[in-house]
Amino acid sequence: SQTIHQWPATLVQPVGSPLSLECTVEGTSNPNLYWYRQAAGRGLQLLFYSVGIGQISSEVPQNLSASRPQDRQFILSSKKLLLSDSGFYLCAWSPGGVSNQPQHFGDGTRLSIL
Amino acid sequence: GDSVTQMEGPVTLSEEAFLTINCTYTATGYPSLFWYVQYPGEGLQLLLKATKADDKGSNKGFEATYRKETTSFHLEKGSVQVSDSAVYFCALNRSWGKLQFGAGTQVVVTP
Repeated sequence: SQTIHQWPATLVQPVGSPLSLECTVEGTSNPNLYWYRQAAGRGLQLLFYSVGIGQISSEVPQNLSASRPQDRQFILSSKKLLLSDSGFYLCAWSPGGVSNQPQHFGDGTRLSIL
Repeated sequence: GDSVTQMEGPVTLSEEAFLTINCTYTATGYPSLFWYVQYPGEGLQLLLKATKADDKGSNKGFEATYRKETTSFHLEKGSVQVSDSAVYFCALNRSWGKLQFGAGTQVVVTP
């Protein structure tokens, strides 16, 4: 069966520090991968999605970037964090090359910027 | 563009009450529709789905029917439990497997 792992679960970082959140999927090949942010009490905002290695699409302009160095690895990064980057970050995957399929989510990373 | 509208919360119910969360959508074509549930501090879990008109998705006592004529996918449960307290998200699929989510509806069930 397929599983998705995100880490760390919680992170506290000072303003201006770098960021790296990692997400890996097991049990499937060539998945679509997604990064979302959920601000407190708000809905989900899609940040990035990827349909293959090295292929990243950004949904909104921001202080963050994403990379997919391997088929089942998706990384969310920032060179200098802002206070507004605080939130709950969720990684998700769906089967590649197939439409109308649900996404499956990791447990999330709660990021607090001080 | 595609959009999903959910009723605003929080919805507060007593245990064993009937739950309905309204969801309507705007989309081109005939998307698949989903309900996700998020328990406090956790990621989202797929609750149920429907892929075409008149399909009924069901899971854990929850049901939702894909109504093309009213562009709706309302979530219902006949008798809620305290453990059903969570945030519920309605969503439809877009291109490249992306999902368009509603804003979420918080449900609070009291003993």
